[in-house]
Amino acid sequence: SQQGEEDPQALSIQEGENATMNCSYKTSINNLQWYRQNSGRGLVHLILIRSNEREKHSGRLRVTLDTSKKSSSLLITASRAADTASYFCATDAWHSGYSTLTFGKGTMLLVSP
Amino acid sequence: EAQVTQNPRYLITVTGKKLTVTCSQNMNHEYMSWYRQDPGLGLRQIYYSMNVEVTDKGDVPEGYKVSRKEKRNFPLILESPSPNQTSLYFCASSLGRANEQFFGPGTRLTVL
Repeated sequence: SQQGEEDPQALSIQEGENATMNCSYKTSINNLQWYRQNSGRGLVHLILIRSNEREKHSGRLRVTLDTSKKSSSLLITASRAADTASYFCATDAWHSGYSTLTFGKGTMLLVSP
Repeated sequence: EAQVTQNPRYLITVTGKKLTVTCSQNMNHEYMSWYRQDPGLGLRQIYYSMNVEVTDKGDVPEGYKVSRKEKRNFPLILESPSPNQTSLYFCASSLGRANEQFFGPGTRLTVL
């Protein structure tokens, strides 16, 4: 059951530019998480934002959450070539009586030197 | 070092030949799960385990089995693999099902 959907599917930018990725979801959530995946490797947790939070920062990452629009955005500022990866949102939502973490299909980010 | 390990990392096998992919974590996590990742389909959960001897189906459990006899290990078993199980498999562990997930390095499986 796909809950979160990232947009765009792919994004290509130059080093130094900012990258913004969006995640939309369908049902109420408890929290939303962002992960990063380098090609063919395991996902790495970046940041978790709870449903009662609106914005969170971690280094060059800024995550916002708008529960009224059921959407979240991940902003990477001053991007570097090493930020090239796929980025996934994962939503924690109640499903059939228990909370379930469901991943989206990801945004592929390419940062060119 | 806190980590999730999977073995093997790469496996090419033939249809019908039983195989097991092992997963082990050293963080004393109660929750463990298996995912498969396919192009255009994203990450889909196969099975998960809330604790020792407690396992349940995820979104795509058909053709797979799991067991959780010890807290640290959560092997994925394919009794009779078929070509549509060719995929990239990830094991993950966490304190709870909605907490930060720690992923293993992945197992790339090809079934001929």
